[in-house]
Amino acid sequence: AQSVTQPDIHITVSEGASLELRCNYSYGATPYLFWYVQSPGQGLQLLLKYFSGDTLVQGIKGFEAEFKRSQSSFNLRKPSVHWSDAAEYFCAVGTNTGNQFYFGTGTSLTVIP
Amino acid sequence: NAGVTQTPKFRVLKTGQSMTLLCAQDMNHEYMYWYRQDPGMGLRLIHYSVGEGTTAKGEVPDGYNVSRLKKQNFLLGLESAAPSQTSVYFCASRTTPQGVQPQHFGDGTRLSIL
Repeated sequence: AQSVTQPDIHITVSEGASLELRCNYSYGATPYLFWYVQSPGQGLQLLLKYFSGDTLVQGIKGFEAEFKRSQSSFNLRKPSVHWSDAAEYFCAVGTNTGNQFYFGTGTSLTVIP
Repeated sequence: NAGVTQTPKFRVLKTGQSMTLLCAQDMNHEYMYWYRQDPGMGLRLIHYSVGEGTTAKGEVPDGYNVSRLKKQNFLLGLESAAPSQTSVYFCASRTTPQGVQPQHFGDGTRLSIL
C-alpha cells in the first residue's frame, strides 16, 4: 500500500537559516510527488511537484526538492527561511494506477526572528 | 477566477443534526475529492468522484454521503452528525484521471459537532 511519512512533526528555525523537511514514501512504481504548504486558516497551496526527469525540482517561494529513488525520499529545502514561511507543510504522493493521493501527517514550521 | 469554493466556512451542529457541505469548482475539472483534516493525522480521503454522476469511497467514508449531480459541484452530507466528525473539511479538484496533475484545494469548512 502507498504511504507517506514525514518524520518531523515540528521544526523551529531562525530566520535566514536553511531548511530541510523530510519526506519518505512507499510505492512500488514511479511515484508522482508533491509538496503543499498550508497557512493558518487556509487551504493547501502547491509548492512543487515531481513527475519525471531532473530529480531536483524548483518550486515557488524559493523552495526546491530532490527526489532520491534509492532512499524513497523527496525532501524539501530552502536556503534561507523567511518569517512568512511559517506554516504547515505536507508531502503527498499520487499514483498513476489509481485515483487517489496519499498525504503525510505534515510538518509544522516555526520561524524565529 | 475563484478556483475551488467551499460553503459554508464555519458551522456548529448538535449531535444528530444533518447538514450538507458544498464544493464548487470553475476549472472544468473531472475529479473532485473530500478530505478531512485532524491534528496529527494529515488529510484523509472521505469520498471522491471521477466525473459527473459517479462517486467512490475513500479511506474514511463511514457517516458521510456524497453526490455529484453537476460536474462543477460535489456535495458532502452528514446524515446524523457525531462529535467524532468535528474536523476541518477540504474539497479538492484536478484535471486528469492520472496521478500526474496536482489537486487544487478550497479554503476549508470548519465543522464542530457538540
